[in-house]
Amino acid sequence: AQSVTQPDIHITVSEGASLELRCNYSYGATPYLFWYVQSPGQGLQLLLKYFSGDTLVQGIKGFEAEFKRSQSSFNLRKPSVHWSDAAEYFCAVGALIKAAGNKLTFGGGTRVLVKP
Amino acid sequence: DAGVTQSPTHLIKTRGQQVTLRCSPISGHKSVSWYQQVLGQGPQFIFQYYEKEERGRGNFPDRFSARQFPNYSSELNVNALLLGDSALYLCASSSLVSGANVLTFGAGSRLTVL
Repeated sequence: AQSVTQPDIHITVSEGASLELRCNYSYGATPYLFWYVQSPGQGLQLLLKYFSGDTLVQGIKGFEAEFKRSQSSFNLRKPSVHWSDAAEYFCAVGALIKAAGNKLTFGGGTRVLVKP
Repeated sequence: DAGVTQSPTHLIKTRGQQVTLRCSPISGHKSVSWYQQVLGQGPQFIFQYYEKEERGRGNFPDRFSARQFPNYSSELNVNALLLGDSALYLCASSSLVSGANVLTFGAGSRLTVL
């Protein structure tokens, strides 16, 4: 069975500083990997995804993530954080359901606080 | 284009009652999934429906059921509500592309069980 671990429950970062969120996954085959962001009281918005190919993927809002198979990791980064980036971030791994698409397994999330 | 819409947005029930949550997928999306997000945790997979058939089920009791209609909208039903069913219920739709697809989530239905 697949699993996702996000080791950091909370991260506080100053506005303008860089941000890195860690994600480790367990999955027996080539994973489909995702990062979603959730603002308070909202649903999940997709930041970026990795299906195959280039291991460095670019997403929306200036985010990027790097897939490292040897480390089973898919860490999310942003060079310069804006106050609007304060939210909860979820890493997920997708398991293919035959003829129906992906079932996602999510990590526990990392809450990001941005200091002025 | 409208995104995934869910109703109601908030509701309060008491233990033992039944609840029905509704979801309308993005136009053209034939797959609908349901996830439960308990406060402070990541979402957990409940069901996936594709072309009106159940294609996947998570580790939830039989009190949870769902269905998908010919217009691809979906309902999630929970019977005999427990306090632990209090959560944000998220619906997601997707368009199957080469076996790998992206889920687009709605804003959720927040259920409080008293």
